[in-house]
Amino acid sequence: AQSVTQPDIHITVSEGASLELRCNYSYGATPYLFWYVQSPGQGLQLLLKYFSGDTLVQGIKGFEAEFKRSQSSFNLRKPSVHWSDAAEYFCAVGQTGANNLFFGTGTRLTVIP
Amino acid sequence: ETGVTQSPTHLIKTRGQQVTLRCSSQSGHNTVSWYQQALGQGPQFIFQYYREEENGRGNFPPRFSGLQFPNYSSELNVNALELDDSALYLCASSVEQGAGMGPKTQYFGPGTRLLVL
Repeated sequence: AQSVTQPDIHITVSEGASLELRCNYSYGATPYLFWYVQSPGQGLQLLLKYFSGDTLVQGIKGFEAEFKRSQSSFNLRKPSVHWSDAAEYFCAVGQTGANNLFFGTGTRLTVIP
Repeated sequence: ETGVTQSPTHLIKTRGQQVTLRCSSQSGHNTVSWYQQALGQGPQFIFQYYREEENGRGNFPPRFSGLQFPNYSSELNVNALELDDSALYLCASSVEQGAGMGPKTQYFGPGTRLLVL
């Protein structure tokens, strides 16, 4: 069975600092991996996705993520955080032949001046 | 290009009532998925519709049902509402998944927040 773990419930960073949000997945074959962001009271916006190929994926808003098969991880990074990045971040995994995504419980990011 | 839209934005119902939520898919998308997001949780897959038929279902009881219309818009119906049905209901649209392929990227609407009293 698939599962996604986001070990950090809440992270606080200073504006301008670097950011890394952790995501670990459980799935036997090559996963399809996604990061979404959710601002308060809003739906989910896709930041980036990994299907195959280059394991370092670039997304919108300056985010990137690296797929590491050996660690079953797909961590999200940003070199310099902006106050507008404060939101909830969700990692999700999909599988071949299935049409749904499994989401982690999310990491809430707070950005302090 | 029009994104995914949902209506209503907020809804308050009482236990035992029935509710219908609506979703219009993004232009060019023919597949609609519904997710339930309880407070403090990640979204959970309810079901997906493709070609007006249910095309996959998560671990939700039959009182959660849906429809898809020829224009690819969709409805989520929940009968006999329970307090635990209080959540944000998200609709996501995508193009169809090819056989033996992985999931297509899903684009989410803003959600309908349902409160059951």
